[in-house]
Amino acid sequence: EVQLVESGGGLVQPGGSLRLSCAASGFALSNYWIHWVRQTPGKGLVWVSGNNYDGSRTSYADSVKGRLTISRDNAKNTLYLQMNSLRAEDTAVYYCARGVGYSEFDQWGQGALVTVSS
Amino acid sequence: SYQLTQPPSVSVSPGQTASITCSGDKLGHIFASWYQQKPGQSPVMVIYQDSKRPSGIPERFSGSNSGNTATLTISETQAMDEADYYCQAWDSTTAVFGTGTKVTVL
Repeated sequence: EVQLVESGGGLVQPGGSLRLSCAASGFALSNYWIHWVRQTPGKGLVWVSGNNYDGSRTSYADSVKGRLTISRDNAKNTLYLQMNSLRAEDTAVYYCARGVGYSEFDQWGQGALVTVSS
Repeated sequence: SYQLTQPPSVSVSPGQTASITCSGDKLGHIFASWYQQKPGQSPVMVIYQDSKRPSGIPERFSGSNSGNTATLTISETQAMDEADYYCQAWDSTTAVFGTGTKVTVL
């Protein structure tokens, strides 16, 4: 069974850092793009970042460039999102999603809640 | 930046057809996907590459994309189809989601 499981969410102060993990099972991470998508409670979906098969290509939404870094360890079948200089507006549920090239997101994790507050 | 606009809400009676539009500049020139999200759950892909239906998605879900508008159609709508629906497309190397539509089955 294909699964994506996020972990590492929690409460962090403004300006702080957090690292999210996304553990994949049932498929090889090296065969897919994987993305992070976030959703502020009660609001819509916003794409954050994406990373290609071997991690050599990455892209970011303008709102997170320079603060969030996506990476992967294909040997561990795990994707990461390093989040630095966090702001209140980064508060959201963060989903990892499996991508099919520059097309659809066919599998989603259950989400990890990140709350940025003092 | 590229934007995809959806109606905030659509109401439909059980057994009737619901149509949800997604508007974006020259959207018909690129692939659109659609996702269903029920309260407290993760999104689920219901249509990809404009009109393809993933395994396990009922045949009552269909999609089209032409000009500046992509459309998700739910035929013979059931109570279980009540959810938020989002369209999605790519603008170069940036993924864009629509504003979302809440479908209410009255």
